[in-house]
Amino acid sequence: QSALTQPRSVSGSPGQSVTISCTGTSSNVGAYNYVSWYQQHPGKAPNLMLYDVTKRPSGVPDRFSGSKSGNTASLTISGLRAEDEADYYCCSYAGRYTWVFGGGTELTVL
Amino acid sequence: EVQLVESGGGLVQPGGSLRLSCAASGPTFSRDWMHWVRQAPGTGLVWVSHITGDGSRMNYADSVKGRFTISRDNAKNTLYLEMDSLRAEDTGVYYCAKDQSYSMDVWGKGTTVTVSS
Repeated sequence: QSALTQPRSVSGSPGQSVTISCTGTSSNVGAYNYVSWYQQHPGKAPNLMLYDVTKRPSGVPDRFSGSKSGNTASLTISGLRAEDEADYYCCSYAGRYTWVFGGGTELTVL
Repeated sequence: EVQLVESGGGLVQPGGSLRLSCAASGPTFSRDWMHWVRQAPGTGLVWVSHITGDGSRMNYADSVKGRFTISRDNAKNTLYLEMDSLRAEDTGVYYCAKDQSYSMDVWGKGTTVTVSS
């Protein structure tokens, strides 16, 4: 149950796009289309941003999009806004009713 | 909309026990898969445990297997996490979360567990 690999930090200017990668293995990310992404502001509970790799829950702006290729999933945020500054975590189903999170990525909006 | 409220956190000595509760509102609790996720201070999210809606299947992260037990009382709309043989590394904020399509779509605000002598 090793954590998925995410970059520790990414940054971008308002209006730009950033992409956060999430690398797992053929036992988790590569095996299932059950990758989800969470946004967490300091001191707050996480908030679901994407599920089933590409699907957005109601209320999540379409600036947030997801993709997957092989063992790596990606979250892209376009049209960066100041309020997007937060920590982002990927998560994948890993079979047999187990899940694994990534280590988290700190997004800085310059 | 479903709301989740955790309780039961606190300070406990190493080797001690604690039971966390998660009270859920909403009519679908008995059908909802549920999770516990924790976050140690200054670190990332870690999945801890999952249970199906009828309580028939559950699983655990390797780090807590054999020490933690997840359960639920659907009549009381409540999820539990019984934690035994606690270690310093179990310290953190514990969140309960509702499952939706193998993701966690509703989260509580968390309850803090501190394991220290």
